[in-house]
Amino acid sequence: DAGVIQSPRHEVTEMGQEVTLRCKPISGHDYLFWYRQTMMRGLELLIYFNNNVPIDDSGMPEDRFSAKMPNASFSTLKIQPSEPRDSAVYFCASSLAETGPYEQYFGPGTRLTVT
Amino acid sequence: DAKTTQPTSMDCAEGRAANLPCNHSTISGNEYVYWYRQIHSQGPQYIIHGLKNNETNEMASLIITEDRKSSTLILPHATLRDTAVYYCIVRVLGSGNTGKLIFGQGTTLQVKP
Repeated sequence: DAGVIQSPRHEVTEMGQEVTLRCKPISGHDYLFWYRQTMMRGLELLIYFNNNVPIDDSGMPEDRFSAKMPNASFSTLKIQPSEPRDSAVYFCASSLAETGPYEQYFGPGTRLTVT
Repeated sequence: DAKTTQPTSMDCAEGRAANLPCNHSTISGNEYVYWYRQIHSQGPQYIIHGLKNNETNEMASLIITEDRKSSTLILPHATLRDTAVYYCIVRVLGSGNTGKLIFGQGTTLQVKP
């Protein structure tokens, strides 16, 4: 298996622009997680899905952030409009219910820079 | 959720065993101990987890004390590629699990030649 795939790997955008991050989980996994990592706040969970349904979005910073999972093999995290404080590395992870939601496999991340 | 305490940093000589401790003195009976690591510029990597018995896989061994108040992750023959931040996380598995992993500051392990 190719593992969790994220695109783009790097994104540089100007403040106010819309940013869309993409994730393809490991085939067969039924949990999908979006995390954000910054030096100041460390690694924090934004939202997670189970069987394509959002379960907990309490970590989403504000209404500018939205996430969707239209099918089992694809998810997006959108920021509109983007702000410089959104600059971070965004990770997607997936896991299999059979082995428990905490055995998560992470993608390589998307490094977002908002100028 | 039980809180975990880890040393901020540790050094280990290449080829020697790296023993990373974690204190979780308030752990409850249905909480598992999970270990992850994050190599610089990469996503976190699952290593191992356990409830009360010692566990071993191809990456590491997990030793949990009998009272379950602490555990040790053992990398038997550390290599330079094991240099990373190691996270110990305690979570409920099964009924009551939330799916959330909460990463603390972890232990920065530096493997030296």
